[in-house]
Amino acid sequence: TQLLEQSPQFLSIQEGENLTVYCNSSSVFSSLQWYRQEPGEGPVLLVTVVTGGEVKKLKRLTFQFGDARKDSSLHITAAQPGDTGLYLCAAYSNSGYALNFGKGTSLLVTP
Amino acid sequence: EADIYQTPRYLVIGTGKKITLECSQTMGHDKMYWYQQDPGMELHLIHYSYGVNSTEKGDLSSESTVSRIRTEHFPLTLESARPSHTSQYLCASSEGQGASGYTFGSGTRLTVV
Repeated sequence: TQLLEQSPQFLSIQEGENLTVYCNSSSVFSSLQWYRQEPGEGPVLLVTVVTGGEVKKLKRLTFQFGDARKDSSLHITAAQPGDTGLYLCAAYSNSGYALNFGKGTSLLVTP
Repeated sequence: EADIYQTPRYLVIGTGKKITLECSQTMGHDKMYWYQQDPGMELHLIHYSYGVNSTEKGDLSSESTVSRIRTEHFPLTLESARPSHTSQYLCASSEGQGASGYTFGSGTRLTVV
């Protein structure tokens, strides 16, 4: 099982600030996914990145897949309280039967 | 509107009780999964299914069992609950094609006292 390491573990910022969270591994992935989980709910898929160096934008969220396809970052511009949640990265196991998840970054955005 | 439903949302039961956590999806997905989630820890895969009559254990050892008699239904059963089973249980499904993303249910928060 490949390990997905996410950093930071916790992040508390003020509304309007920018932030970046990271997902790193020593393994090469064919693709990587990002999810957001709000308290009391299941994770919701935000994006899938497939190509090394790929950048995808979802409104104020920018996702990047590393050139070597071992790492990924999520950048949020002008964070809002609605961005509060647990951000999880995930990738399929080597056998391909299910997703492995990182521990997540817990983000709190205060007004 | 949720396409995958888990019931109950919250459950508090006594040690030794038998319980079944329900999970149903309306998307016709062949692949379904059960994950266990504890604070500050990765989601751990406990069971998965590739389709009707297909069930496999995941990476995390679990005393639970699952069944897949119908495509849309993937219940998880604990024959004798223990306090160590206290956790959040998440059900998910996927199309199963390539790098498919998951659709998760809202989860069942189980507390065994």
